[in-house]
Amino acid sequence: NAGVTQTPKFQVLKTGQSMTLQCAQDMNHEYMSWYRQDPGMGLRLIHYSVGAGITDQGEVPNGYNVSRSTTEDFPLRLLSAAPSQTSVYFCASRSAGGTLGQYFGPGTRLTVT
Amino acid sequence: GENVEQHPSTLSVQEGDSAVIKCTYSDSASNYFPWYKQELGKGPQLIIDIRSNVGEKKDQRIAVTLNKTAKHFSLHITETQPEDSAVYFCAASPGNQFYFGTGTSLTVIP
Repeated sequence: NAGVTQTPKFQVLKTGQSMTLQCAQDMNHEYMSWYRQDPGMGLRLIHYSVGAGITDQGEVPNGYNVSRSTTEDFPLRLLSAAPSQTSVYFCASRSAGGTLGQYFGPGTRLTVT
Repeated sequence: GENVEQHPSTLSVQEGDSAVIKCTYSDSASNYFPWYKQELGKGPQLIIDIRSNVGEKKDQRIAVTLNKTAKHFSLHITETQPEDSAVYFCAASPGNQFYFGTGTSLTVIP
């Protein structure tokens, strides 16, 4: 199993550009989440999904969209990038039953100029 | 929403000594408390977790304690080794969402 994969690893955008961060998992996990990590602020939840076709907002959803058309994939879309969205983005997944622990991807480092 | 506070923000210990990291939470509905280790340039990795119906859990050199009344939980690492150097995060979950502390940078000095 590859676990949770994220692409790209690094990205530089100009203010106003749009892009999609990709996330995929091969563990058949029902739950998937997107977090952003900023210095001194830990990880903050952007959006999450409890299954295909179901998404919900987390703590900091503004400026981001998600969709979940399959169990495996959970892309995060930045509609109009702003410098405040410069961050490291992590995707995570977990099973609905058994252990509740999340598996994290390696992250995408995004810089918006 | 839930608010998780974590202390200290940095911690240096001599190899072989113990390290303790403490977290508090605000939402009494939180019932699951995981701890993650993050090495430089990598994603967080779950190292131990505890549910609200348990007061203590141990896995080799790592243990976690939970005091529901006081709303705090702690990570204990004994016999620390240089490879324990990393950033550690606590989290609390009242359901589908997870709320993280701000992290503790642990340095183990050989």
